[in-house]
Amino acid sequence: LAKTTQPISMDSYEGQEVNITCSHNNIATNDYITWYQQFPSQGPRFIIQGYKTKVTNEVASLFIPADRKSSTLSLPRVSLSDTAVYYCLVGGMNTGFQKLVFGTGTRLLVSP
Amino acid sequence: GAVVSQHPSRVICKSGTSVKIECRSLDFQATTMFWYRQFPKQSLMLMATSNEGSKATYEQGVEKDKFLINHASLTLSTLTVTSAHPEDSSFYICSAGLAETYEQYFGPGTRLTVT
Repeated sequence: LAKTTQPISMDSYEGQEVNITCSHNNIATNDYITWYQQFPSQGPRFIIQGYKTKVTNEVASLFIPADRKSSTLSLPRVSLSDTAVYYCLVGGMNTGFQKLVFGTGTRLLVSP
Repeated sequence: GAVVSQHPSRVICKSGTSVKIECRSLDFQATTMFWYRQFPKQSLMLMATSNEGSKATYEQGVEKDKFLINHASLTLSTLTVTSAHPEDSSFYICSAGLAETYEQYFGPGTRLTVT
């Protein structure tokens, strides 16, 4: 699986937009990009997944440039409850179950 | 849909004893389940891949005789930590795979404390 690099931590305030960028220079052609959120003492929760360009759902947007060597998770108007660790993973889909390799993740702290 | 549960949510056991953790897919069948371990302030580390009806595949450095995995049905996988020691204290998380999409859904985790 492609190695990913993310900032270790980020700080923000309530109501702001937060953008977390992930680098994955060795992403393969059939790799998708998936972001998970994890609260303390809980299992990871799926946020969003994409292959190219832009994907948006009810909680976040995912921006992927044409070369796909990076991706940006965008959280609009964060609240205190968005304080969590965010993991970016890359791996192939529709080719069998992939071993999910979690990197260090980005610890987001949202303050009042 | 796609809910995964774990039991117990937390357990304390004495050094030298064994403890079993269950992972269930509640509303779908999972031929493949994964077990992860997470130490405080660290990322999740894959321990093993559990396939229904066959032996689990362990990651390098994970002792298969210490971490026994049984995947006897399409909705249940168990992880037994044998002869537990304080260094086995950790947060154990399972995920269950949905065959139609190869997506993985995570359980809430089990906090194991070995005294």
